Order: sequence, then C-alpha cells, then structure tokens
Amino acid sequence: AQTVTQSQPEMSVQEAETVTLSCTYDTSENNYYLFWYKQPPSRQMILVIRQEAYKQQNATENRFSVNFQKAAKSFSLKISDSQLGDTAMYFCAFVGRPSGTYKYIFGTGTRLKVLA
Amino acid sequence: EPEVTQTPSHQVTQMGQEVILRCVPISNHLYFYWYRQILGQKVEFLVSFYNNEISEKSEIFDDQFSVERPDGSNFTLKIRSTKLEDSAMYFCASSEEGVEQFFGPGTRLTVL
Repeated sequence: AQTVTQSQPEMSVQEAETVTLSCTYDTSENNYYLFWYKQPPSRQMILVIRQEAYKQQNATENRFSVNFQKAAKSFSLKISDSQLGDTAMYFCAFVGRPSGTYKYIFGTGTRLKVLA
Repeated sequence: EPEVTQTPSHQVTQMGQEVILRCVPISNHLYFYWYRQILGQKVEFLVSFYNNEISEKSEIFDDQFSVERPDGSNFTLKIRSTKLEDSAMYFCASSEEGVEQFFGPGTRLTVL
C-alpha cells in the first residue's frame, strides 16, 4: 500500500527567508503524481504545485518549487521569499491508481508559521 | 474560474440522525470524490464515483454511508445514522480526468 510521510509536524521561518518542507512516500508503482496542498485556517484545500513522476524536471510555480528524487522517493517543497500569507498547514499527496481509480493519499501535514 | 461548491458550510446534528452533505462539482468533470478530515488529522479518502457508480471506496465508507448523483449537477454524501466519530470536515472533489482533483471548501460536520 502507498504511504506518505511528512516528518516535520511544525516549522517556522522568518518572512522573506526560504524554507523546505520534506515528504517521502512509498509505492511500487512507476507512474504516479505528487502534489503539495496548502490548507489555511479556513481549511480550504489549495493546490500549490504538481509533479508527474515521469518528468525528471522539478516543477516550479513562482516562489514554490520541488525537489523530486524518484529513486529516493522524496518530494520536498521549497518556499522562497516566505510571506505571512504562506502560514498554513501543508499536505503532501501521492496520487496513483493501484486499483484502477486515482485517489489521493495524504501525509499528516506540516504546520508552517511565517514570522514577521 | 469554475470551482467546486459545498453546502452547508457547517452542519450540527444529533447522534443517530441522518445527514446529507451536498456538493456541486465543476460542470465538465466526470470523476467525483469525498474525503474526510478529522480535526488535527490528515485528509482521508472515502469514495470515488464515476459513470453513476462507485468506483472505489475505503474501509471508512461502511454501510452507513452512501453517495448519489441525483441530477446532472449535484453530488451528495449521506450518512444514515451519525456517530460521534463522524464529526469531521468533509471535502468533495471533482476531476476531469482523475489526476488533478479540485477540492470544495468543505462541510464541517459536528455530531453531538
């Protein structure tokens, strides 16, 4: 079964600094997708960034980028120039379809606090 | 930009009562999902729905749960006899092709 591990329950970073959130996963599949979602206090799930496993190039989205290491099954999120609005819970998600249906497997989340 | 909507935003119910959570997926999407997040925990898959039938369900999705797409736009989750442990945030999601799922704002269910 697929599992997703986020080993940092809480992190903090100074405004304008860079922070990296870690995520590891376990799967026997070769084709899958990885996502980072942001969940602010409103609890809405907001897509931050997406990575296809077949792509070697790391995804970037403005201040957000990932370090995808397929062999190591690692998918970390780097937030550059951190802003107060980045304060939120961040969930890593693995998407595969071992039984024919795509479904998301989420990690336990990292609570990020950006300090002024 | 099209978005998934959910109603109500907060539902309070007594244990043993039936609740129906409603979702309006994005109009051209074909895949529909329900997820649950107990307070302070991770988001968990409940069920996926495609072509008017359940395509996969988790162990959480027991006989107390059912889903329906009663018309061309709504997607509902029914809990027949709520328990205290059903208190959670319930997220609906929809997808055009299955991979990228768009989440609604969630319904907070409180069972007293």
